[in-house]
Amino acid sequence: DIVMTQTPLSLSVTPGQPASISCKSSQSLLHSDGKTYLYWYLQKPGQPPQLLIYEVSNRFSGVPDRFGGSGSGTDFTLKISRVEAEDVGVYYCMQSIQLPITFGQGTRLEIK
Amino acid sequence: EVQLVESGGGLVKPGGSLRLSCAASGFTFSSAWMSWVRQAPGKGLEWVGRIKSKTDGGTTDYAAPVKDRFTISRDDSKNTLSLQMNSLKTEDTAVYYCTSGFVWGQGTLVTVSS
Repeated sequence: DIVMTQTPLSLSVTPGQPASISCKSSQSLLHSDGKTYLYWYLQKPGQPPQLLIYEVSNRFSGVPDRFGGSGSGTDFTLKISRVEAEDVGVYYCMQSIQLPITFGQGTRLEIK
Repeated sequence: EVQLVESGGGLVKPGGSLRLSCAASGFTFSSAWMSWVRQAPGKGLEWVGRIKSKTDGGTTDYAAPVKDRFTISRDDSKNTLSLQMNSLKTEDTAVYYCTSGFVWGQGTLVTVSS
C-alpha cells in the first residue's frame, strides 16, 4: 500500500497569516497518462470532507484562490496564503494512483 | 444541485448484516466511479471500496479489511449506489460516506455492538 505522511499533524495559525501542509507518498503518484493522482480535502467540524484540490494543483469549483497545491512525484504541499476563520478543520491528502486508495493521517488546523 | 444522500445506517450486532444506500442527483451518475469511505469515531478517513462505471467495466475493488464481507453495487436506472455489509465486526463501526471523489454525502453512522 502507498503510505501518505502528512506534516505537521496540527497547526495553529493567526488569521491573515499563511499556512502550509506537507504530504509525502511512499511511491511516486505520477501515472503513465501524465497525471499525478494527489488530492487535498478539508473536513470541517461536523461535516463530510470536501474537495479542495485535485491532481496536485487544480482548485475544485468554488474553492477560494487562497488555497494552492504544488509538488510532484512523492512530495506535495498545500498552502493557504491567508488563513481565515472558516478554514478550521482537518486537512487530508489522498492518492488514487494505486489501490487501495489511501489517505494521510490528517492535519488539524486551528485559529489562534 | 449535485448531491449524494446516504441512508440505511444503524445499530447491528456483531455478525449481523446491513445495507447502505446512496442516492445521487445533479450529475451523470452512470459515468461516475463511486467509492465508499468510512471514518471511525475520532479517526481519519479509510477507503472501503469502489465500483467503476459500467462503460469502464463496472468492476469492484475492496480494501483488505472488508474484502469478502462487503459488496458494492450500483443501479444506474435509479442513480443509486449500495453497500451490502455482512459478517459485521465491532471495528466496522464508523460513519460511511459515499463519494465520487468530487462530491461527498453527509454520511450514515453504522454501529456494530452487542
